[in-house]
Amino acid sequence: EAGVAQSPRYKIIEKRQSVAFWCNPISGHATLYWYQQILGQGPKLLIQFQNNGVVDDSQLPKDRFSAERLKGVDSTLKIQPAKLEDSAVYLCASSLDLGGSGETQYFGPGTRLLVL
Amino acid sequence: AQSVSQHNHHVILSEAASLELGCNYSYGGTVNLFWYVQYPGQHLQLLLKYFSGDPLVKGIKGFEAEFIKSKFSFNLRKPSVQWSDTAEYFCAGGATNKLIFGTGTLLAVQP
Repeated sequence: EAGVAQSPRYKIIEKRQSVAFWCNPISGHATLYWYQQILGQGPKLLIQFQNNGVVDDSQLPKDRFSAERLKGVDSTLKIQPAKLEDSAVYLCASSLDLGGSGETQYFGPGTRLLVL
Repeated sequence: AQSVSQHNHHVILSEAASLELGCNYSYGGTVNLFWYVQYPGQHLQLLLKYFSGDPLVKGIKGFEAEFIKSKFSFNLRKPSVQWSDTAEYFCAGGATNKLIFGTGTLLAVQP
């Protein structure tokens, strides 16, 4: 079974530029998550989709971050404009069913972003 | 506010030593608890999880964790570590659909 795919794996940009990350979840997984992991911290949930609807985006900085999952499969996360403090690893995860807290989330390899 | 805390940021052990990594959570009511591991160069993967039933949960690679409700704890244990257990370990909890992670514990096992 193929895992969660993410691209790019690494990205270096200057502040105020824009950047986009792509995620393809495990086939058949209804729920998709984007996390931000700053160095020395645990992953923090940014947004959760169930199929193509948003379940939770309470911690997404909506003035600069946006995400979409148009066909209920793959997803993109965008930052525009980027700030220095956005330097982090952006993780995508997926789970099979409704995204309940008891479900196992399967993580991708992450995209490491450095903002200069 | 809901939170998960891990007491040890760095742990260094020799092979065959016993391991216990602390995790405490602050939730009211029902909570689901997880331990994830990230081996060097690999992605996060599930070690074990608890959501009901027997409070002693066994996971992959000989790991286990015990849910102690009275102490709000879910400590990870392994009786004898191996060099291949070198990794970062994350405790996580969720009472709703949101998973909250601890800050992680970096374990280095010396051969």
